This record gives sequence, structure tokens and C-alpha cells, in this order.
Amino acid sequence: GAVVSQHPSWVICKSGTSVKIECRSLDFQATTMFWYRQFPKQSLMLMATSNEGSKATYEQGVEKDKFLINHASLTLSTLTVTSAHPEDSSFYICSSMGQWAGMSTDTQYFGPGTRLTVL
Amino acid sequence: SQQGEEDPQALSIQEGENATMNCSYKTSINNLQWYRQNSGRGLVHLILIRSNEREKHSGRLRVTLDTSKKSSSLLITASRAADTASYFCATRGGGNKLTFGTGTQLKVEL
Repeated sequence: GAVVSQHPSWVICKSGTSVKIECRSLDFQATTMFWYRQFPKQSLMLMATSNEGSKATYEQGVEKDKFLINHASLTLSTLTVTSAHPEDSSFYICSSMGQWAGMSTDTQYFGPGTRLTVL
Repeated sequence: SQQGEEDPQALSIQEGENATMNCSYKTSINNLQWYRQNSGRGLVHLILIRSNEREKHSGRLRVTLDTSKKSSSLLITASRAADTASYFCATRGGGNKLTFGTGTQLKVEL
């Protein structure tokens, strides 16, 4: 199946700093990327959806100025947590959908996640 | 709010037994998907069932879908310790957005 990578896999930062998380689709063109956050022992909550070359669409309650999403190419999307605070500590997961011979466009492929800890 | 509710929240079985997890959802869907997540890791896509399908198999996995009851079940047969993970159902409606259920934590003991 398609491979999605995330970098870094974990990050610890001080309160007030900004953190950038990268999501790459390694072997297909991701026309749509999704960013989720997950708190311990809870389900995934969609934060935003981005289409390549367009502005991201944020879910209700997600601050677009705090969680900056850039989807500049078909293989890379980034999530920047600006002025991070301890309550932003969470597991952030990206996923991709795209067009590739033999791959269903109904399937989302997920990255391995990034554990963010804000001190 | 969450689209799906999963039941049970936690399930503990012995290796070799079957595990059944249920998912209920609230609105019309195009398809329903099941994912697996090992602790602290990303999600692995297991199986997708479309709204016009009633049952689907993949290896030791069997998924059913009852759109009249807005429910789905995932059966793992002959479970193994390596099946220990959290399992999530996710539904897709008219757009591309997936909405995840609350998840079932499965523990398979030797």
C-alpha cells in the first residue's frame, strides 16, 4: 500500500515556541491531506483538510492561525503549531488520499504520527 | 462530535478465540472503513465496505454492514497476540472527510 511518513516522530518544545511537522506521501501523489489530533486513549479528531495548492479547510473549533497548514506540493504537507502551549501536547497524525494506478481513492493512508510535548 | 460509537470499549480474549467489535453511526454514508492502531503509532487501513455491500472478507477479518441499522461489525477470527491494538471504524459521507468512532481496545492474551 501507499506509504506516508511524518517527521519528526516526536518533539519536545518550550511553551511559546513554534513547531513544524512534515507529512510526506512517498509513492503517490496526494491530492488531499488530512491532519488529525489524538489525545491519549481517545479517537482521532479531524483538524483540517487540505487540497494541493489550496487553503486548508479547518474543522469547527480549530484555530487556523494557531495551526498553520501548508500543502504546497502533491507529496508534502506541513502543520505548524504556533506559540505552542502545554494544552497543545498531543499526537498529531496526517493522512493522504490521491491518485495512483491500482490505489483506491476511497482509502486514506496514515502517517505514523508525531508526539508533541509542550513543556 | 464523534460520528460513531464502538462497542465494546475494551475487549480481552485468549489467543485463538474470535473477537467481535461493533460500530454504530448516525448519518448516511458512502462507505465504512476499519483501521487498526498499535499503541502510539499511526493507523493501518484494514478493510473498506461500501454502502451497497453487506459483507466483506479479508484474511481473518470479516466485516458486515447493515445500513438500515446504521451499524457495522468487525470479526477477527483465530486471534493472535499480535492482534492486540485499538480498532476504529470510520465513516465517509458525501465528501472526503472520514469521521472516526470511539474505538475498541483489543487485548489478546497468550
